[in-house]
Amino acid sequence: DAKTTQPPSMDCAEGRAANLPCNHSTISGNEYVYWYRQIHSQGPQYIIHGLKNNETNEMASLIITEDRKSSTLILPHATLRDTAVYYCIVRLNQAGTALIFGKGTTLSVSS
Amino acid sequence: GAVVSQHPSWVICKSGTSVKIECRSLDFQATTMFWYRQFPKQSLMLMATSNEGSKATYEQGVEKDKFLINHASLTLSTLTVTSAHPEDSSFYICSASTSGTLYNEQFFGPGTRLTVL
Repeated sequence: DAKTTQPPSMDCAEGRAANLPCNHSTISGNEYVYWYRQIHSQGPQYIIHGLKNNETNEMASLIITEDRKSSTLILPHATLRDTAVYYCIVRLNQAGTALIFGKGTTLSVSS
Repeated sequence: GAVVSQHPSWVICKSGTSVKIECRSLDFQATTMFWYRQFPKQSLMLMATSNEGSKATYEQGVEKDKFLINHASLTLSTLTVTSAHPEDSSFYICSASTSGTLYNEQFFGPGTRLTVL
């Protein structure tokens, strides 16, 4: 699986958009980009995933560059409850393939 | 959505004893389950992958005789930490996935906090 690079930490004011970048320059054509987050002392929570098109759901938007070498997770209106570690993971869409976690980005949302 | 539970949510044991952690998929059949370990302020580390009815595949550096994994049914996997020592104290998280879905999603349990005294 390709590796990802994320900034170790980011800050965001409550109510503002949080834009979390991720570099995955060695991603292969059949690997998806997944985003998970982990709130302190809980199991990871799925946020969103995509292959090459931009995606949006009730939690976030995922913007993938045309060359697929980087992506941005957007939380449109961050709240205090969005404070968590966010993980960007690339993975084959294949049954039985584990998610391999990097160090992620610690997002701190403050009022 | 798919729900994965873990039991117990936390456990404290004495050094040298064995501890069993259960991971259950509540509303789907999990063909594959994964076990992760997370030390404080670190990321999740994959320990092993298990398929129902088969022996688990352990990641490099994980002692298979110490961390016994059983995946006897499509809804239950267990991790037994044998002869636990203080360095085994950690947050253990399981996840489950099922084949046949479009994206082979992986669903995580809430984790089990193990403290070995």
